Amino acid sequence: AQRVTQPEKLLSVFKGAPVELKCNYSYSGSPELFWYVQYSRQRLQLLLRHISRESIKGFTADLNKGETSFHLKKPFAQEEDSAMYYCALSGSGNQFYFGTGTSLTVIP
Amino acid sequence: DAGITQSPRHKVTETGTPVTLRCHQTENHRYMYWYRQDPGHGLRLIHYSYGVKDTDKGEVSDGYSVSRSKTEDFLLTLESATSSQTSVYFCAISGGDGGYGYTFGSGTRLTVV
Repeated sequence: AQRVTQPEKLLSVFKGAPVELKCNYSYSGSPELFWYVQYSRQRLQLLLRHISRESIKGFTADLNKGETSFHLKKPFAQEEDSAMYYCALSGSGNQFYFGTGTSLTVIP
Repeated sequence: DAGITQSPRHKVTETGTPVTLRCHQTENHRYMYWYRQDPGHGLRLIHYSYGVKDTDKGEVSDGYSVSRSKTEDFLLTLESATSSQTSVYFCAISGGDGGYGYTFGSGTRLTVV
């Protein structure tokens, strides 16, 4: 069965510190994985998708099939990074499966 | 703009009343979805549509129904609202290639009193 796990509900880091948001998944096929970000009371926005291997707002994420992980990283956190982050997996039938989200707070 | 709008943005309703939320898209996308967002649960799929008049249940479909009579509109109906349905509801659209992700609407904050 498809499942996405984000083990941290809350994460606080100081401005300028590195940040890593964890995401693990279970999927029997070849997964397509995404990170979405939701700023306070706004719509969810696509941040990254693993197939494009791009870096957005300084964030990167590498798919590790051996560890079934897709952790989101940024070397130097900024205050504007404070938001809710969701990891998502695209499975069969064009359905997405979301993790429960990690609320990131960057402390000035 | 993202090409997807939800209405209303906020609604307060009484227990036992029917409520309909509307999702409208201008992207001509085939797939449309309704999710609810609750603290500690993330986003959970309620229903989705893969074409006009083609819909299917998601993970938390009990108490909800949907209709899609034309490509651009996807309606979510709470048949008899309960307090457990107090939530933020998000609509999403997709062109069908899962690799490009979803586009989300701005959400509807529903309170059932």
